[in-house]
Amino acid sequence: RKEVEQDPGPFNVPEGATVAFNCTYSNSASQSFFWYRQDCRKEPKLLMSVYSSGNEDGRFTAQLNRASQYISLLIRDSKLSDSATYLCVVNKNDYKLSFGAGTTVTVRA
Amino acid sequence: GAVVSQHPSWVICKSGTSVKIECRSLDFQATTMFWYRQFPKQSLMLMATSNEGSKATYEQGVEKDKFLINHASLTLSTLTVTSAHPEDSSFYICSARAISRGGTEAFFGQGTRLTVV
Repeated sequence: RKEVEQDPGPFNVPEGATVAFNCTYSNSASQSFFWYRQDCRKEPKLLMSVYSSGNEDGRFTAQLNRASQYISLLIRDSKLSDSATYLCVVNKNDYKLSFGAGTTVTVRA
Repeated sequence: GAVVSQHPSWVICKSGTSVKIECRSLDFQATTMFWYRQFPKQSLMLMATSNEGSKATYEQGVEKDKFLINHASLTLSTLTVTSAHPEDSSFYICSARAISRGGTEAFFGQGTRLTVV
C-alpha cells in the first residue's frame, strides 16, 4: 500500500466553482501534513499546512481527520490560475516527506 | 521565503556518460538536503538524504554507486548520475528545509529534467 494515496483526477471545473478532493495516508504516526501545488514541469510549492482543527487560507480550506487518516482540500470560487496538480504531503517525525501522486485540477473559462 | 537553486534545469546526455546536478541553498544553511526523482504522472520519490560532512543516506532500491551524492558545504549538495542510461531519464529535484513564518517548510529547487539518449 502506498504511504499517501490521492485521486489523480482530473477534476475539470468551470471558473467560480467549488472543487474538493481528499488524500489518505497509511502511517498513523504521521506528524504533519501539507498541500503543495505543482505546475507542469515545475517544482512543488507549499500551498498550505494542514492543522488538526482545520484551517483556511483565502479560498482554500484544508481539513485533517486523524481517525480516518485522510486530508482534504477545498477550493472555493476557483480561478483559471488554480489549474495545477495538488500534492498531498505527509511528514513523519524524521523530516522525510512522503508525497502523493497528485490530483490534477483544470479550471476552464 | 528561502531559496533553493538547482542547476542545470535540463540536460540531455548520451548513454554511458555521467551528469552532475547542483543544489544550492542561497540564503540559508542546510545541513540536510533531500534528492527526489519524479517520473511522469507519478509522485516524487525520495532517493536519498544528503548530510553535510558525512555520507548520504539512500532509500531502499536506490543504488548508491550509481547516484553519487556529495554535500561538502552547508549550502551545496551535488547529485551525480553515473553511467546514465535511458531509464534514468526523469525529473530530479532537491529540497532543503528552512524556517519560515509558518514553521519549518520544505523548499525545492527548480528541478532538473534529465534525458538520456
